[in-house]
Amino acid sequence: AQSVSQHNHHVILSEAASLELGCNYSYGGTVNLFWYVQYPGQHLQLLLKYFSGDPLVKGIKGFEAEFIKSKFSFNLRKPSVQWSDTAEYFCAVTRGNTGKLIFGQGTTLQVKP
Amino acid sequence: AAGVIQSPRHLIKEKRETATLKCYPIPRHDTVYWYQQGPGQDPQFLISFYEKMQSDKGSIPDRFSAQQFSDYHSELNMSSLELGDSALYFCASSRRTLQETQYFGPGTRLLVL
Repeated sequence: AQSVSQHNHHVILSEAASLELGCNYSYGGTVNLFWYVQYPGQHLQLLLKYFSGDPLVKGIKGFEAEFIKSKFSFNLRKPSVQWSDTAEYFCAVTRGNTGKLIFGQGTTLQVKP
Repeated sequence: AAGVIQSPRHLIKEKRETATLKCYPIPRHDTVYWYQQGPGQDPQFLISFYEKMQSDKGSIPDRFSAQQFSDYHSELNMSSLELGDSALYFCASSRRTLQETQYFGPGTRLLVL
């Protein structure tokens, strides 16, 4: 079973629309949470991360994510998307004493100009 | 700022051939991770090294081997290549604490014919 689940596989939005991408994980214990973005033909870039503290995390390019421990969720949000946000978005987790990233299936975001 | 360097960027091989992928981490990063991303799939962890020792192992086939050298660069050796090995191979580097972010290289795109 997939241990990191992203609910939306393909999202199409118009510019200026609000975005929320869901991410749930199935691990107990301490986890570190990440959102990475992969623009077409490029490598993975970190958008934001949560280790501890304030569960509302702000990242680059106007993205933010909220960690809700009771729901095992770490959803990504952006109030107003731009055409340049068209990309693949991956939620990922590290857990325990290992640094390896466990990725979700990814969500393809297409923003129409 | 210096980034993770991977070479080659593209590689075409025949079935049953061997391939060597190289990864040069960000300076002062002591940990290297290898991931495999098949077409339309999420990245899957293969193996990681810390201070030249294997630190974790994922779904890496026995036909593959890897090592980290004294200058911290890493090489992934792939033998008896199969069509299913065609994928994007990412290397990521970090500094060895659990809260250090992994920075990804541009990847090596391997095509096995």
